[in-house]
Formats: sequence, C-alpha cells, structure tokens
Amino acid sequence: KQEVTQIPAALSVPEGENLVLNCSFTDSAIYNLQWFRQDPGKGLTSLLLIQSSQREQTSGRLNASLDKSSGRSTLYIAASQPGDSATYLCAVRGGSEKLVFGKGTKLTVNP
Amino acid sequence: DAGVIQSPRHEVTEMGQEVTLRCKPISGHDYLFWYRQTMMRGLELLIYFNNNVPIDDSGMPEDRFSAKMPNASFSTLKIQPSEPRDSAVYFCASSPADRGGNQPQHFGDGTRLSIL
Repeated sequence: KQEVTQIPAALSVPEGENLVLNCSFTDSAIYNLQWFRQDPGKGLTSLLLIQSSQREQTSGRLNASLDKSSGRSTLYIAASQPGDSATYLCAVRGGSEKLVFGKGTKLTVNP
Repeated sequence: DAGVIQSPRHEVTEMGQEVTLRCKPISGHDYLFWYRQTMMRGLELLIYFNNNVPIDDSGMPEDRFSAKMPNASFSTLKIQPSEPRDSAVYFCASSPADRGGNQPQHFGDGTRLSIL
C-alpha cells in the first residue's frame, strides 16, 4: 500500500528566503507525482505535475524534482513571499487514476 | 471558465439526519472524484467515476455512504444516517481523460460538514 510522508509538518521562514519542502513515498511504481497548494477554507490548486519519466518541472519560482528510485520529491520555492503562505501537499498516482496524498507542510512566510 | 462547483459550502446537522453533498464538475471532464479531509487522516479518496460510471469505491467508509453520478454535469455524495465522526471537509475534483498527458485534478472549494 502506497504511503506518502511530508516533512516537516510546518515551516516558518522570513520573506526572501529560498526553501525546500520534502515528500517521500514507499512504492516507486508511480505514474506521476503532483504538488498542490491549499489555502485556508479553499480547495487544492495544482502547482506542478512530474511524470514518472521526468526528473523535474519548473513554474516561475517553483521547481519540483523527482527521484523515483529513492522514493523522494522536493519542491523548491525561490525568494519566498508572504503570499506563498499556504499548505503544500504532495500526491502520487499509481496505475489507476487514484491519488495518494501526504498530510502536507504548512508554510508561513513572515514579512 | 467555471471551476468545480460544490454545494453547500457549509452544513451543520444533527446526528442521524441524512446529508447530501453536491458537485458540478468542469464541463468536458471525464473523471470525477470525491475526497474527505480530516486533521487525523489527511485527504482520502472515497470514490471516483469515469464517464458517470463508478470505478473504485474502496475508500467509501461504510454502507452509510453512497455516491451517484446521474449525468456528466452532476454528482451527489449522501450520508444516511450521519454520525459525528463523519465531520470533515468533503472535496469534489474532476479531470479530463488522460490521453497520455498526465492531466491534473481540479478541486472544488469543499463542503465543511459538522455533525452534532
């Protein structure tokens, strides 16, 4: 059974800092890995999707990497801003359409 | 474009009552998913549909939960009878058919359900 773990559960940083969020998964037979952002009282917004054959994806200040063999992914946020404050969730997709989510990292960027 | 629309946004009801949550997926999307989010268990998939047909309901916690998708633009998740432990945020998501493109799921804003 696939399990997804995100560490740390919470992170607080000053504005402007570069930071890394971590995600690990137990079964390396994945179809893709996705990073989502969740704002309080809102649904999830897809940030980046990395296919199993890819090593990384970039969107603006965000860069996500994938190491399937070690069961790890990282989300790198450059030059963090207060508007980046949210909970970030990692999810992996196996052979079906099902996503298995981590419990998320709550990020606070202090001005 | 309108996103995934869920109603109601908040529901407070007493134990034993029937609860019906509603979802309108994004037009043209072939897949619809129902999730439940709690602090203890995180985000869990309950059931998903492909072209209105239930594909995997292994996440539905028990027979008190049922889901239907009578057409491509509407789905319901029903709890009868409701219990306090059903209190959670319920999300609906939809995605297009994955024609090798690895399509992301699009989420609604959720229904916050409180059972007293």
